[in-house]
Amino acid sequence: DAKTTQPPSMDCAEGRAANLPCNHSTISGNEYVYWYRQIHSQGPQYIIHGLKNNETNEMASLIITEDRKSSTLILPHATLRDTAVYYCIAAANQAGTALIFGKGTTLSVSS
Amino acid sequence: DAGITQSPRHKVTETGTPVTLRCHQTENHRYMYWYRQDPGHGLRLIHYSYGVKDTDKGEVSDGYSVSRSKTEDFLLTLESATSSQTSVYFCAIRGAGSDGYTFGSGTRLTVV
Repeated sequence: DAKTTQPPSMDCAEGRAANLPCNHSTISGNEYVYWYRQIHSQGPQYIIHGLKNNETNEMASLIITEDRKSSTLILPHATLRDTAVYYCIAAANQAGTALIFGKGTTLSVSS
Repeated sequence: DAGITQSPRHKVTETGTPVTLRCHQTENHRYMYWYRQDPGHGLRLIHYSYGVKDTDKGEVSDGYSVSRSKTEDFLLTLESATSSQTSVYFCAIRGAGSDGYTFGSGTRLTVV
């Protein structure tokens, strides 16, 4: 699986958009970009994933560069409940694939 | 999370004793995983299963064994617990063809 690089921490004001970057320069053609988050000591929660097209769901948007070497997770209107560790993972979209977690980005949303 | 439960939620045990953690799912998913999480290391894969009686090792499998005799249960056993196995353990499930993994709420294990 491709290794990803994320900033260790970021801050965001409540109500503003949070843009979390991720570098995955060694990503291979069959690997998707997944985003998960972990709030306090709960289990990780799936947010979104994509291959090469931009994706949007009720939680977030995912922007992947054309060369697929980096991506950005966008939380359009961050709330205090979005304070969490966010993990960017590059992995094949096969059911048996185990996710390899890095250290993620700690996002702190403040009022 | 709905569909996946871990037990116990908390456990304190003594060094050298055997410990078994249970992951139970009601989703009939084929794939199940055990991770551990420690400060400074993020989540690391211990073992995973791709079906009944089919398991494989992950990144940090030493000192752990697993068993899956039924689709719904994936057991993680520490044969002789050590202090280095003090951690939070998470189970995850994934169905064939589905995209997201669902994680359990975790088991906090302390080995004294």
